[in-house]
Amino acid sequence: DVKVTQSSRYLVKRTGEKVFLECVQDMDHENMFWYRQDPGLGLRLIYFSYDVKMKEKGDIPEGYSVSREKKERFSLILESASTNQTSMYLCASSFPGRGEKLLFGSGTQLSVL
Amino acid sequence: QQQVKQSPQSLIVQKGGISIINCAYENTAFDYFPWYQQFPGKGPALLIAIRPDVSEKKEGRFTISFNKSAKQFSLHIMDSQPGDSATYFCAATGSYQLTFGKGTKLSVIP
Repeated sequence: DVKVTQSSRYLVKRTGEKVFLECVQDMDHENMFWYRQDPGLGLRLIYFSYDVKMKEKGDIPEGYSVSREKKERFSLILESASTNQTSMYLCASSFPGRGEKLLFGSGTQLSVL
Repeated sequence: QQQVKQSPQSLIVQKGGISIINCAYENTAFDYFPWYQQFPGKGPALLIAIRPDVSEKKEGRFTISFNKSAKQFSLHIMDSQPGDSATYFCAATGSYQLTFGKGTKLSVIP
């Protein structure tokens, strides 16, 4: 069964900590995405990658960075976590091209205290 | 920023009724319009999608209606069931980057 796996379902961190969110996909997808989901705000794109070592900023990249050293793995990094980064983080992947289905992971609920 | 406006924010429908969720977009370059369904504790999953060369697409109880001139599209769920209770997101794209609506929480009551 093909899937996108996010390393943690729940994560609690303290303000100022460096946080790593890991995502692995087993579909050999070229594209990978990080979204955050907040009530009433929907899904907002943080970063995406269309190839290994390539990355593009999404709509809300401030306070985040990403790493894609291998095709199957895409990491989201919070350099210095803040309380306004408390959110549900969703990773997704797809084949390249318009109209390709996004396959999402189950999400990581991050709480920054 | 390109936007997709979705309404209503929440919707309560009785079992057997019709659920209707509406979306509007501004960017005429958008050429692919999917709907995603999300159950609690899960990531969104593609439900149904349409391209602007057709005005309607039906898959089982789910239908997308598309009005290109008005730049609007909607999801109709016929014979709504409690198992349809979920959050629904419309989206649009003209590239590989999807722009999502803010979501509609649907509750189908017995």
